[in-house]
Amino acid sequence: QKEVEQDPGPLSVPEGAIVSLNCTYSNSAFQYFMWYRQYSRKGPELLMYTYSSGNKEDGRFTAQVDKSSKYISLFIRDSQPSDSATYLCAMKEGGRRALTFGSGTRLQVQP
Amino acid sequence: DAMVIQNPRYQVTQFGKPVTLSCSQTLNHNVMYWYQQKSSQAPKLLFHYYDKDFNNEADTPDNFQSRRPNTSFCFLDIRSPGLGDAAMYLCATGQGGQETQYFGPGTRLLVL
Repeated sequence: QKEVEQDPGPLSVPEGAIVSLNCTYSNSAFQYFMWYRQYSRKGPELLMYTYSSGNKEDGRFTAQVDKSSKYISLFIRDSQPSDSATYLCAMKEGGRRALTFGSGTRLQVQP
Repeated sequence: DAMVIQNPRYQVTQFGKPVTLSCSQTLNHNVMYWYQQKSSQAPKLLFHYYDKDFNNEADTPDNFQSRRPNTSFCFLDIRSPGLGDAAMYLCATGQGGQETQYFGPGTRLLVL
């Protein structure tokens, strides 16, 4: 079993829809949680960073962490065709530098 | 703009022919990372430098080496590339004490 599980998709939604992307994990030592966006043939771009449980909002993006359920989510409101990309969740233990990534969910927003 | 730069963006090499990938950064971060990402897979950490201190992941093959001559530059050397080494190689930087990492655009390696 992988440490971080992420549905590969593709997830196809119409423009303007609310998108929900999720990851589950098994390592209870993870304390830091990130979401990266990766366009085709490009490097990952940091979107959201949260520490421990709770919510964080940045514009159209909201990140949620539920450590009791070992479940994290990224919500995208008013989705745009430019949001079409692969979204990778990433997690880190305190005191360690290595990030553990999910394999990514491919999102397609149809105009 | 402060950034992470990788060269070349695309590299074609022959089976067994050594290849070097380059990463530079203007963020002045003290940590530099190399990841391997195969198609539709998660990036996998190969190793990282904390300042000049090299840290290898346990399952990184000996075929992969790295050099960091100064704060700004880091190189990935693949001594004898095999067909299974074809992948996107991502360089990332971070600052000690902070949790986030910032990625370059990647180098796509093709082995013939």
